[in-house]
Amino acid sequence: DAGVTQSPTHLIKTRGQHVTLRCSPISGHKSVSWYQQVLGQGPQFIFQYYEKEERGRGNFPDRFSARQFPNYSSELNVNALLLGDSALYLCASSFGLVYNEQFFGPGTRLTVL
Amino acid sequence: AQKVTQAQTEISVVEKEDVTLDCVYETRDTTYYLFWYKQPPSGELVFLIRRNSFDEQNEISGRYSWNFQKSTSSFNFTITASQVVDSAVYFCALPMDSSYKLIFGSGTRLLVRP
Repeated sequence: DAGVTQSPTHLIKTRGQHVTLRCSPISGHKSVSWYQQVLGQGPQFIFQYYEKEERGRGNFPDRFSARQFPNYSSELNVNALLLGDSALYLCASSFGLVYNEQFFGPGTRLTVL
Repeated sequence: AQKVTQAQTEISVVEKEDVTLDCVYETRDTTYYLFWYKQPPSGELVFLIRRNSFDEQNEISGRYSWNFQKSTSSFNFTITASQVVDSAVYFCALPMDSSYKLIFGSGTRLLVRP
């Protein structure tokens, strides 16, 4: 079975631009979470979606938004990119909401110049 | 506040040595889960274990073992007879407020030298 997939693998943008990152969860998983991992740190929670509804948001500005589609895939959008948005963006899927192990994708490495 | 502390930033060992990675956590939840993930150079976080706070028995899986001690709020991870392929960053994680949002520690980078 395919694991969590993310696209693109790498992305280079300039300050002020907008970016869309995509994630496809493991088949049968209804929950998708997004994390930001800055170099040298642990991942930080951004969003969680379950059954197409936002179920949680971390401490990130409104420039960050996300959505989940009927097929449970998800997009993370970041507007007005800042240099500090450069990071590895990880998507995780799980079957349910609470206490299920989350399976992570390979991530999208975003570089903002 | 909930917090996960991994005090060891980097550990270097020679192949076949045993190594223990420390994890100390703070939580106000009475029941909770703890997780360990491995992040190899490729970047993908690999799930290793989920432990329920009710179960304080040590767990062993091959060369991996975990020592959960609720009294000291620690959930340490030991690799026996380390191998070069064990080289990675290891993260301990705790769900925030009994939810699905994982709080990660800052990670311990393990380098296993041949």
